[in-house]
Amino acid sequence: KAGVTQTPRYLIKTRGQQVTLSCSPISGHRSVSWYQQTPGQGLQFLFEYFSETQRNKGNFPGRFSGRQFSNSRSEMNVSTLELGDSALYLCASSSDNEQFFGPGTRLTVL
Amino acid sequence: EDQVTQSPEALRLQEGESSSLNCSYTVSGLRGLFWYRQDPGKGPEFLFTLYSAGEEKEKERLKATLTKKESFLHITAPKPEDSATYLCAVLTSGTYKYIFGTGTRLKVLA
Repeated sequence: KAGVTQTPRYLIKTRGQQVTLSCSPISGHRSVSWYQQTPGQGLQFLFEYFSETQRNKGNFPGRFSGRQFSNSRSEMNVSTLELGDSALYLCASSSDNEQFFGPGTRLTVL
Repeated sequence: EDQVTQSPEALRLQEGESSSLNCSYTVSGLRGLFWYRQDPGKGPEFLFTLYSAGEEKEKERLKATLTKKESFLHITAPKPEDSATYLCAVLTSGTYKYIFGTGTRLKVLA
């Protein structure tokens, strides 16, 4: 069974730009969660989608948004990028309670 | 407030020197506790799920245990390839959110 895939793997943007990250979950998994990981803050929960609906949301500003498609693939968008948005963005898919993570997208904001 | 705390932050062991990592949690309701291993620049790799106090899971040199307030990850006779960051997470039963600890960075010296 193929694992969770994320594209792109690396991204460099400048302040003020926007970015879209993509995540394809494990086949059959309907839940997709997004996390931001930084050295200082660790893994911070952004949001979770289940069957195209946002089921849970973390404490991030409205510049961070997401969506899920009918095939369970998910995208995350960050608008008006700030330097502090530089991080590893991780996607995880789950069936029942166990989450399986993708390799992440490393976003650098200059 | 739901919280997960891991200790120590960093641990250096000699090859063969067994030790334990701690994950203490304060949550309104526990649906499950998870252990992950993360290598630099990669997504977390799922290791174990524990659901109730007294439960134990084993995999190679790793053994995870759970009490009502904490979990331990015991590493028996570690090898250099066990060097990684070990993350603990809880899934809360009320809000159905995953909350991660900040991890323990383990370095095993040959």
